[in-house]
Amino acid sequence: GENVEQHPSTLSVQEGDSAVIKCTYSDSASNYFPWYKQELGKGPQLIIDIRSNVGEKKDQRIAVTLNKTAKHFSLHITETQPEDSAVYFCAASPYTDKLIFGTGTRLQVFP
Amino acid sequence: DSGVTQTPKHLITATGQRVTLRCSPRSGDLSVYWYQQSLDQGLQFLIHYYNGEERAKGNILERFSAQQFPDLHSELNLSSLELGDSALYFCASSAYGYTFGSGTRLTVV
Repeated sequence: GENVEQHPSTLSVQEGDSAVIKCTYSDSASNYFPWYKQELGKGPQLIIDIRSNVGEKKDQRIAVTLNKTAKHFSLHITETQPEDSAVYFCAASPYTDKLIFGTGTRLQVFP
Repeated sequence: DSGVTQTPKHLITATGQRVTLRCSPRSGDLSVYWYQQSLDQGLQFLIHYYNGEERAKGNILERFSAQQFPDLHSELNLSSLELGDSALYFCASSAYGYTFGSGTRLTVV
């Protein structure tokens, strides 16, 4: 069935360092790959997304890369700040339009 | 404020009871998606409505049902509640990209 694997489950970095979170999806029909940030007590917030016809997308300190052949996509956060600390979820959307989420990565940025 | 409104924010109820969760999508969004977030299952897709019609179903239990009304708000009904139904329930609306509400935390005691 449809599945999205996400690694690592926890990630601790020093302020200013980079953080990378990786996801692998199983359904080759997936064509939309969003990333969400969830802070305590809040709903997931879309931070960046990419469609299958694009290999890379960047928005300030955040970038996402997609390798369709390997069914991998990754989130890259550069120059991390304490306010980046949160749980990050990747997701993949097959043609049916529902989102299949990864299991989440808890990112901690230490000052 | 995401523009997606969910009520109530918190709900505590006993096993065997029935509850209704409410969601109002962003203005102009015709779709409503419901997701369940529990500690051991992550974010699980439950059901999708578009302009009043059911479009897709996930692993939604038979005890759970949903509907979307003409004004586009949606309700998720959970009945015969069990302890394992305790979770965060989110709805999302989508014109492009999903926008989630702040969720309803359901605690079944």
